[in-house]
Formats: sequence, structure tokens, C-alpha cells
Amino acid sequence: AQSVTQPDIHITVSEGASLELRCNYSYGATPYLFWYVQSPGQGLQLLLKYFSGDTLVQGIKGFEAEFKRSQSSFNLRKPSVHWSDAAEYFCAVGAMYTGNQFYFGTGTSLTVIP
Amino acid sequence: KAGVTQTPRYLIKTRGQQVTLSCSPISGHRSVSWYQQTPGQGLQFLFEYFSETQRNKGNFPGRFSGRQFSNSRSEMNVSTLELGDSALYLCASSVRPGLAGEQFFGPGTRLTVL
Repeated sequence: AQSVTQPDIHITVSEGASLELRCNYSYGATPYLFWYVQSPGQGLQLLLKYFSGDTLVQGIKGFEAEFKRSQSSFNLRKPSVHWSDAAEYFCAVGAMYTGNQFYFGTGTSLTVIP
Repeated sequence: KAGVTQTPRYLIKTRGQQVTLSCSPISGHRSVSWYQQTPGQGLQFLFEYFSETQRNKGNFPGRFSGRQFSNSRSEMNVSTLELGDSALYLCASSVRPGLAGEQFFGPGTRLTVL
């Protein structure tokens, strides 16, 4: 069965520090991978996506993610966190054979300390 | 270009009632997907519509239904409401259906069932 795991429910980092949010997936084939961010009271905003090609993808707001097939992971990184990055982050996966629907992880809540 | 709009933003209903939520996609987008977001279950796919046809459906009971109109606007209906239906319902639109198109999410409708 398909599954997405975000092991960290909550992460706290200091402003200016680096950030890595973990995402692991279970799929039978190479999935399509996404990271979304949700601010309080807002919908989801796409940060970046991976379909194929270069395994290191760049997104908006200075985020990047690396697809590692051997580890079934798609971790999100940012070298220097800003206070405005405080939000909920969701990893999502999908594949054509699942009927083109997304499966989301349970999310990681990020707190940024000044 | 206006984003995805969802109405109403907040809704309070009682058990046994039915509810209809509306989603207006971004102009030019013909695919609309619906998701349910709860603290316990996270984000779960409900269904996807394209050209007035349901393309894909998640694992929800038949009380959850939807439709899409010729102008791409979509509605979802939940009949015989249960307490567990309290959630944030998110609508997402894309130019193309499925994962090929980037999904843009609306702010959601917060449904509370008493």
C-alpha cells in the first residue's frame, strides 16, 4: 500500500539556522513528489516538485529537496530559516497507477525562534 | 489572476443535516480536486473532476459526492452529517487533470458538525 511518512511532528529552529524536514514514502514505482506549505488559515502552497531528472530540485522561498531512490526519501532543506517560514509543511506523493491522486504525509509543524 | 475561491469559508451544521460546499477554480483551470483535512487523518483525497466528469475518487463513503459544472466550478455535498465530518475541506484546481498539472489550493471551508 502507498504511504507517506513525515517522522517529525514538530520542529523548532532558531532564525538563521538550517532546516531539514524529512519525508519517506512507500510506492511500487518512482513516484511524483511534492512539498507544500500551509500557513494558519490558508490553503496549501506548492514549494517544489519532482517528476524526473535531476534529483536535487529547487523551489520557491529558498527551499530545495533531494530525491533519494535508495532511501525512498524526499527531504526538504533550507540553509537559513526566516521567521516567516513558520508554518505546517506537507510532503505529498503520487504515481500514475494510483489514479493520479495525491497521498499526503501528516505534516511537520515548524516553529522559528527569533 | 484570481486564485481558487471557496465558499462559504466557515459553516456550522448539526448531525443529520446535509451541506454543499462550492469551489471556483482559477480561470482557465478545468480540473478540480477536493481534499478533507483533519487533525487525526491529515489530508485525504476525496475526488477529482475534469470536464464535468469524475476522474478519480478516494476512499470515502457514498455520503460524500460532488459535481462539476460546464464553467469548471465544482460543488461537493455531504449528506447525513456525522461529527467526524468536521474538517477543513480544501479544493484545488489545475490546468490539466491528475499529477501532470500543478495544483493550486483554495483557503478551504471549515465545517463544524455539532
